[in-house]
Amino acid sequence: GAVVSQHPSRVICKSGTSVKIECRSLDFQATTMFWYRQFPKQSLMLMATSNEGSKATYEQGVEKDKFLINHASLTLSTLTVTSAHPEDSSFYICSARGAGGRTEQFFGPGTRLTVL
Amino acid sequence: AQKVTQAQTEISVVEKEDVTLDCVYETRDTTYYLFWYKQPPSGELVFLIRRNSFDEQNEISGRYSWNFQKSTSSFNFTITASQVVDSAVYFCALRVDTGRRALTFGSGTRLQVQP
Repeated sequence: GAVVSQHPSRVICKSGTSVKIECRSLDFQATTMFWYRQFPKQSLMLMATSNEGSKATYEQGVEKDKFLINHASLTLSTLTVTSAHPEDSSFYICSARGAGGRTEQFFGPGTRLTVL
Repeated sequence: AQKVTQAQTEISVVEKEDVTLDCVYETRDTTYYLFWYKQPPSGELVFLIRRNSFDEQNEISGRYSWNFQKSTSSFNFTITASQVVDSAVYFCALRVDTGRRALTFGSGTRLQVQP
């Protein structure tokens, strides 16, 4: 299967700082990338969908000014958590899908964010 | 809207027992895909299976088997002769072929296999 990487795998930051998480498709061009959030012992919840070169579509309840998503190339999407607070501490997982509506999604390994 | 229900929050079995994880889904779309993922403590999702809505054949892969029944909107997952390494959280997920085509996940079932 295709490979999706995330960087960093783990980050600890102070409250009020911004954190950028990268999601890369290593061996295919990802026209669409999805960002999920998973709180401890909970399920994965879709935060936003981004298509290369377009603005991201955010799910209800997700603040787009707080979670900035950029999908500037076919292999890279970034999620920036701005002015992070302890309640933003979570496991963030991206997935990437290639061209064509029915192609499979591939998940990254996730980024564990801890805000002190 | 889509919905996936995994009613079993946590299951504990002893090694070598068989265990079935339930999954019930809701969608109005006629074309959809069902998935099972395993999430070990490391957090990385491990893909187990994908099944499309037009293929109701049951599938077996080693100790894993899946029972897809459209009549009851269920896609259950059975592990035969469970092993300690099977301990993880298992997610059932649904994707339709319209809209964003993102996955809708169930709440997950935590499986503990005791030696």
